[in-house]
Amino acid sequence: AQSVTQLDSHVSVSEGTPVLLRCNYSSSYSPSLFWYVQHPNKGLQLLLKYTSAATLVKGINGFEAEFKKSETSFHLTKPSAHMSDAAEYFCVVRQYGGSQGNLIFGKGTKLSVKP
Amino acid sequence: DTAVSQTPKYLVTQMGNDKSIKCEQNLGHDTMYWYKQDSKKFLKIMFSYNNKELIINETVPNRFSPKSPDKAHLNLHINSLELGDSAVYFCASSLSGDQPQHFGDGTRLSIL
Repeated sequence: AQSVTQLDSHVSVSEGTPVLLRCNYSSSYSPSLFWYVQHPNKGLQLLLKYTSAATLVKGINGFEAEFKKSETSFHLTKPSAHMSDAAEYFCVVRQYGGSQGNLIFGKGTKLSVKP
Repeated sequence: DTAVSQTPKYLVTQMGNDKSIKCEQNLGHDTMYWYKQDSKKFLKIMFSYNNKELIINETVPNRFSPKSPDKAHLNLHINSLELGDSAVYFCASSLSGDQPQHFGDGTRLSIL
């Protein structure tokens, strides 16, 4: 069975400083991993995806994530936080087997950005 | 221009009522989904449809029934609403089961 664990429920950074949102995954197969962002009262927007190509994945808005099989991690980073980055971030793994396409969500990390 | 649109955005109703939430996508996608997000922001898949056939049916109460009149629509009908049904419901779509999903803005359902 596949699962993801987001290690921090809340991360607070100052504007202009780096962002690190941590995610560990568990999968019996080569996983498909995603990061989605949810701004207040909005739906989810895909930031980036990993599907067994390059291990360093670049996404929108300056975010990137690195797939590390040895550490079973897929942490999300950004060099310099912007106020507009404040949102809820979800690490997601795609389920294989009978429910092909089913997305399994982590519990989310709320990112706060201080001026 | 909205890719995945849900109506209504907010729905406030009383326990025991029957209600529907509509979802439409104009992306030409083959697969559509319904998710429930609880008060702790946890998201869980409820249903998905591929070419009008149900391909995922998670363990949700049978009071919830998805209805797909065509490939571009997947509506969610809920009978005999209960307090625990209060949540945000998200519709999503993807080109196929292994492609990224595009989400609507959600429907916030509140049961009085």
